[in-house]
Amino acid sequence: DVHLVESGGDLVQPGGSLTISCGASGFIFTDYWMHWVRQAPGKGLVWVARINSDGSSTSYADSVRGRYTVSRDNAKNILFLYMDSLRVEDTAVYYCQFSTSSGDDYWGQGTLVTVAS
Amino acid sequence: SYELTQPPSVSVSPGQTARITCSGDALPKQYAYWYQQKPGQAPMLVIYKDTERPSRIPARFSGSASGTTVTLTISGVQADDEADYYCQSADSGGDCEVFGGGTKLTVL
Repeated sequence: DVHLVESGGDLVQPGGSLTISCGASGFIFTDYWMHWVRQAPGKGLVWVARINSDGSSTSYADSVRGRYTVSRDNAKNILFLYMDSLRVEDTAVYYCQFSTSSGDDYWGQGTLVTVAS
Repeated sequence: SYELTQPPSVSVSPGQTARITCSGDALPKQYAYWYQQKPGQAPMLVIYKDTERPSRIPARFSGSASGTTVTLTISGVQADDEADYYCQSADSGGDCEVFGGGTKLTVL
């Protein structure tokens, strides 16, 4: 079975930094582009970032570009999101996610990042 | 930045047909994907590449595309279909992906 398990969410002060992780199992991690998606409490889904299968190409939402960095360790099957200069509006549950070409999609349970003083 | 526009809410009675639209300038060039999200759950893909339906999704869910608008259609709506629905696509260059604001489907 495919499993995506996010971890590392925490309470951080504005201006601070945090790295969250997503451990992957049950599928060939190196075959898939991976995404981070966030959802603020009571709000909609927001695409945050993606990384290609070998980690050589990344893309970011305008709201996080220059502050967030997505990376992956294909030897350990782990996806990372480094978040810097955090703002109150970055508070959200962060999900890692991927889809297959046949329409199967997989999400983790999410990890909560709270930015507050 | 690129945006996808959805109606905030759609209401239908059980057995009727619900149609949820999503508009964006790049939709003629980029595929759209539709996700269903129920309270307290992670989203679930219900339509991919504009019109394709995953095998686990009931046939009453379908997708269509015309110009700058894509539409999710749910035929014979059931109470269990009550959820938030989000479209997702990319900008014209494919560099940046985006979700629509979401549509709350209420089954009366």
